[in-house]
Amino acid sequence: KQEVTQIPAALSVPEGENLVLNCSFTDSAIYNLQWFRQDPGKGLTSLLLIQSSQREQTSGRLNASLDKSSGRSTLYIAASQPGDSATYLCAARTGTASKLTFGTGTRLQVTL
Amino acid sequence: DTEVTQTPKHLVMGMTNKKSLKCEQHMGHRAMYWYKQKAKKPPELMFVYSYEKLSINESVPSRFSPECPNSSLLNLHLHALQPEDSALYLCASSQGRSSTDTQYFGPGTRLTVL
Repeated sequence: KQEVTQIPAALSVPEGENLVLNCSFTDSAIYNLQWFRQDPGKGLTSLLLIQSSQREQTSGRLNASLDKSSGRSTLYIAASQPGDSATYLCAARTGTASKLTFGTGTRLQVTL
Repeated sequence: DTEVTQTPKHLVMGMTNKKSLKCEQHMGHRAMYWYKQKAKKPPELMFVYSYEKLSINESVPSRFSPECPNSSLLNLHLHALQPEDSALYLCASSQGRSSTDTQYFGPGTRLTVL
């Protein structure tokens, strides 16, 4: 059974800092790994999706990497802004069906 | 248009009530999903519909009954719920063609069971 964990659980940084969020998964036989953002009480917004054959994906200030062999993915946020404050979730897609297993989330606060 | 809509936004119901949650997408996606999310927890998959057929039921109690009337609509019928069923219910959709699919989520329905 796939288990996904995220470290740290919470993070507070001043505006402008670069930061890294970590995601670990136990079953390396994944199809892809997806990073989401969730604002309090809201739905999920897809940020980046990395296929199992890829090493990284970039979108604006966000860069996500994937190392299947070690069961890890990282989300790098450059020049953080207060608007980046949210919970960030990673999710691994495994199995023959469209099942996503979500990580425990990292709650990020970017302060002025 | 990458929007998944859900209605209602909030729902309060008693344990003897029958209610339904609705989800809609017009992206031509053929896979649709229901997730349940408790406070400060990650979403947990409940059901997956692929090409309007139920393909995954994650051992969800029968008081939750999904329905996919057509490729754009997904319903979740609720009956005789328990207070512990109070949660944010999220709908998602994806193209449903391959493992490259990105899942797009709706804003959720906040359900409170009294």
